[in-house]
Amino acid sequence: EVQLVESGGGLVKPGGSLRLSCAASGFSFNDYNMNWVRQAPGKGLEWVSCISGSSGYRQYADSVKGRFTVSVDNAKNSLYLEMNSLRPEDTAIYFCARDVSGYRSFDWWGQGSLVTVSS
Amino acid sequence: DIQMTQSPSSLSASVGDRVTITCRASQTIYNYLNWYQHIPGKAPKLLIYAASTLQSGVPSRFSGSGSGTDFTLTITSLQPEDFATYYCQQSYSTPPITFGQGTRLEIK
Repeated sequence: EVQLVESGGGLVKPGGSLRLSCAASGFSFNDYNMNWVRQAPGKGLEWVSCISGSSGYRQYADSVKGRFTVSVDNAKNSLYLEMNSLRPEDTAIYFCARDVSGYRSFDWWGQGSLVTVSS
Repeated sequence: DIQMTQSPSSLSASVGDRVTITCRASQTIYNYLNWYQHIPGKAPKLLIYAASTLQSGVPSRFSGSGSGTDFTLTITSLQPEDFATYYCQQSYSTPPITFGQGTRLEIK
């Protein structure tokens, strides 16, 4: 069965850095795009970034472009989100999600990892 | 960027009711529209993709329709486990992939 498990969240000061991980099982990263989606407290879902299975392309929301970097390690079947220059507005639960190509529907999601940016 | 607008923002209904949630795109997205259910503390769940195709394992009381700019999610005969927040998502013009603001379905 497909499983996605995020880790690496926590409390960080504004301007700080954090690296989120998403460990996948039950499928091969090579065959799918992977995404990060976040939900700020009391808010809706916001797409953050995606990366193709072959790492051929990466995309970012304008709100994180230049500060966040997405990557994959196909040997470890793991997805990462390196977050730098963090701001209070980056406070959110971060979900990783598998992207089924074609209609870009996210058919499997992790439970999420909470990132809190506060002094 | 394509803006997605859902209505209503919140909705109260009873078990057994039929409810409809609408989603409007700021420009045509053909049928590149997906629907999700999210219960706090759980992973979001894909319900419908390509506007009207039921995801495997999702009960048939969920259905989707529409194309172009206007879409609907209908739930017939509401069950207790259906009380959640529902989101539409467009994937026609990316980046960015954009979600609606969500519709919170509450028990009356």
